[in-house]
Amino acid sequence: DTAVSQTPKYLVTQMGNDKSIKCEQNLGHDTMYWYKQDSKKFLKIMFSYNNKELIINETVPNRFSPKSPDKAHLNLHINSLELGDSAVYFCASSHRGGNSPLHFGNGTRLTVT
Amino acid sequence: GQQVMQIPQYQHVQEGEDFTTYCNSSTTLSNIQWYKQRPGGHPVFLIQLVKSGEVKKQKRLTFQFGEAKKNSSLHITATQTTDVGTYFCAGPSQGGSEKLVFGKGTKLTVNP
Repeated sequence: DTAVSQTPKYLVTQMGNDKSIKCEQNLGHDTMYWYKQDSKKFLKIMFSYNNKELIINETVPNRFSPKSPDKAHLNLHINSLELGDSAVYFCASSHRGGNSPLHFGNGTRLTVT
Repeated sequence: GQQVMQIPQYQHVQEGEDFTTYCNSSTTLSNIQWYKQRPGGHPVFLIQLVKSGEVKKQKRLTFQFGEAKKNSSLHITATQTTDVGTYFCAGPSQGGSEKLVFGKGTKLTVNP
């Protein structure tokens, strides 16, 4: 199936731990994103990569580090997790440019206890 | 910075009633996109509007882009329970950025 797939779907962990979320797309898109959706459903962009190059880096704590080994993959590593990091994290991809529709993954619900 | 405002935040309707959500941008947009997120799901792209005054229809959904390209609306005729979800509008950020700025969404619930 052509899609944006991210793993894991659920992640429950304790404060202070380090965790990673993986994302892969087979749509042939050049650009991949990480969005954070908080409890109020607000979707906020965190990072964007185009062909492995970082092009958007919003005001995100440096505990969050994205890595793109190739244009089909964008992973998110989070160090020293905090309670406020609890949210749903969505990976997305698109052709390059703000005019291109986004294709979202199914999301990773992160709960920090 | 650029803001995309969406109202109402919540809308509850009886099945069969119409529903409209409105989106306003603080700046002129090159295009506007609409997404739907079902409960527990992920945002799914519905449509993109590009031209000033453009109107597009998808079955019972009607999308409009304002003449000044700063506002947009989504109207659903005769809602059904399958329409339940949160509807987001989104527009590209100013200054040639790749970033898409999302409104806060309108959560629609439909009473059968």
